[in-house]
Amino acid sequence: KQEVTQIPAALSVPEGENLVLNCSFTDSAIYNLQWFRQDPGKGLTSLLLIQSSQREQTSGRLNASLDKSSGRSTLYIAASQPGDSATYLCAARMYSGGGADGLTFGKGTHLIIQP
Amino acid sequence: GAGVSQTPSNKVTEKGKYVELRCDPISGHTALYWYRQSLGQGPEFLIYFQGTGAADDSGLPNDRFFAVRPEGSVSTLKIQRTERGDSAVYLCASSRAGRDTEAFFGQGTRLTVV
Repeated sequence: KQEVTQIPAALSVPEGENLVLNCSFTDSAIYNLQWFRQDPGKGLTSLLLIQSSQREQTSGRLNASLDKSSGRSTLYIAASQPGDSATYLCAARMYSGGGADGLTFGKGTHLIIQP
Repeated sequence: GAGVSQTPSNKVTEKGKYVELRCDPISGHTALYWYRQSLGQGPEFLIYFQGTGAADDSGLPNDRFFAVRPEGSVSTLKIQRTERGDSAVYLCASSRAGRDTEAFFGQGTRLTVV
């Protein structure tokens, strides 16, 4: 069974810093990995989708990398801003069936950017 | 609409009652997913539809939970004889066909069983 772990569980940094959020998964047979942002009491907003054949994806100040062989993905946020404060979730979609059609999520990293 | 729409946004019900939660996916998205998110946890997969049929319902916790998508668009998650442990945020997502596609989520329905 796929397990997704996110480290750290919480992070607080001053505005302007660059930071890295980590995501690891136990089964490397994934179709893709997706990073989401969740604001308090809200749904999930898709940030980046990395296919299994890709190494990284970029959108604005965000860059996500994927290393399937080591079961790891990172989300890099450049020049952090207070508006980046949210919970960041990574989710893996498995390659095979048997309950794998949905995404398997980590518990998230709760990020606070101090003004 | 432009995004995935879920109604109601909040639902409070008494233990033992029946509830229905609705999801309206993005137009043209054939894949639809239901997830459940408890406080401090990531979303957990419940069921996946491809078109009208439930392609994978292995995440449903027990037979009190059931979901339908009769016309391949709107989906309803039905919970019978609700229990306090069913309290959570129920999230719906949709995507184009294929596992390599991006999933888009609704705002969720917060269900509270009292």
